[in-house]
Amino acid sequence: GAGVSQSPSNKVTEKGKDVELRCDPISGHTALYWYRQRLGQGLEFLIYFQGNSAPDKSGLPSDRFSAERTGGSVSTLTIQRTQQEDSAVYLCASSWDRVRQFFGPGTRLTVL
Amino acid sequence: DQQVKQNSPSLSVQEGRISILNCDYTNSMFDYFLWYKKYPAEGPTFLISISSIKDKNEDGRFTVFLNKSAKHLSLHIVPSQPGDSAVYFCAASAGGGADGLTFGKGTHLIIQP
Repeated sequence: GAGVSQSPSNKVTEKGKDVELRCDPISGHTALYWYRQRLGQGLEFLIYFQGNSAPDKSGLPSDRFSAERTGGSVSTLTIQRTQQEDSAVYLCASSWDRVRQFFGPGTRLTVL
Repeated sequence: DQQVKQNSPSLSVQEGRISILNCDYTNSMFDYFLWYKKYPAEGPTFLISISSIKDKNEDGRFTVFLNKSAKHLSLHIVPSQPGDSAVYFCAASAGGGADGLTFGKGTHLIIQP
């Protein structure tokens, strides 16, 4: 079966522009997570969706970050007015048991 | 404040020998631990996990050991193979996953022929 897919795989943008990252979870997985991995660092948890429930946004690094999940499936992570420190690989994961998470290949974001 | 620590950024092991990757944690609320393997330009791949009620879990060449009193876990790979060369992340979960997984910074395992 298909795994978690993310698009785009790479995104280069100019400082101040908005970007939108997309995640398609594994079919049937109700939990969806976004993480960020900066160079040389571990994965940093950003936000979690359980089904259609409203997420806890307290892990998002700033109010420029927002995420939504439509119909309990596809999710988008939006970063407004991007800054250079937003450069990272953004990873999406889905899970059926909220513990074992299956990751997509990530979106590498470069803010010039 | 790092709650999950992998103190060895890299580890080199000869093919056929045992690879031992270590991980320490500080949060006593963690109740589930996982190991992920990551190749360049790919997302992390789940390898093996262990619940805090156990002290050992084995799956083929991979065994994870948990020492709760020491807040330490380790991943043993035996025998090590060239395809095992990757970055290995230790991760921990508390309270059913709503706070995501807390990851260490990873250990780059290099298997020497």
